[in-house]
Amino acid sequence: GENVEQHPSTLSVQEGDSAVIKCTYSDSASNYFPWYKQELGKRPQLIIDIRSNVGEKKDQRIAVTLNKTAKHFSLHITETQPEDSAVYFCAASFTDKLIFGTGTRLQVFP
Amino acid sequence: SAVISQKPSRDICQRGTSLTIQCQVDSQVTMMFWYRQQPGQSLTLIATANQGSEATYESGFVIDKFPISRPNLTFSTLTVSNMSPEDSSIYLCSVEGFFRTAYNEQFFGPGTRLTVL
Repeated sequence: GENVEQHPSTLSVQEGDSAVIKCTYSDSASNYFPWYKQELGKRPQLIIDIRSNVGEKKDQRIAVTLNKTAKHFSLHITETQPEDSAVYFCAASFTDKLIFGTGTRLQVFP
Repeated sequence: SAVISQKPSRDICQRGTSLTIQCQVDSQVTMMFWYRQQPGQSLTLIATANQGSEATYESGFVIDKFPISRPNLTFSTLTVSNMSPEDSSIYLCSVEGFFRTAYNEQFFGPGTRLTVL
């Protein structure tokens, strides 16, 4: 069945460093790949997404890359700040629904 | 963007009882979904709430345990029936397809934190 794997499960970086989170998906028909940020006690917030017709998308300090052949996509956060600390979830579309990865807890130390 | 609300925001319930959670959107949406998020875990899709017809349930979730209604394009309910402590979780609705959003883009409600004693 459909599956999304996400790594690492936890990530600690120093403020100003970069962070990279990686996901792989199983369904070659998946064509939409969003990333959500969830702060403690809050709802997941869509922060960036990419569709299968592009290989990379950037929005200020965050970027997402997609390799359809290898069925993996990554979130890149540059110049990390303490407010980037949260749990990040990737997801992949499967028909009309989203399948979520297991999440990455990012901690940015000042 | 659409405003999505859920009621109640949290509840503490006794085992064997049922709780109905409401999800209200301030604009019409095409799709509404219900997820469960257990403590420290990811988001698991329970079902897709279909307007005017029976919900589509994911593997491991059944209508008798999680009946869902969607009477119109802005409102849905999820009932957690005959609760046990294992049902303690956060339940989130999400919506897709309101004005100026794209296919598959989902936005979440604030969630309902359920504790079953």
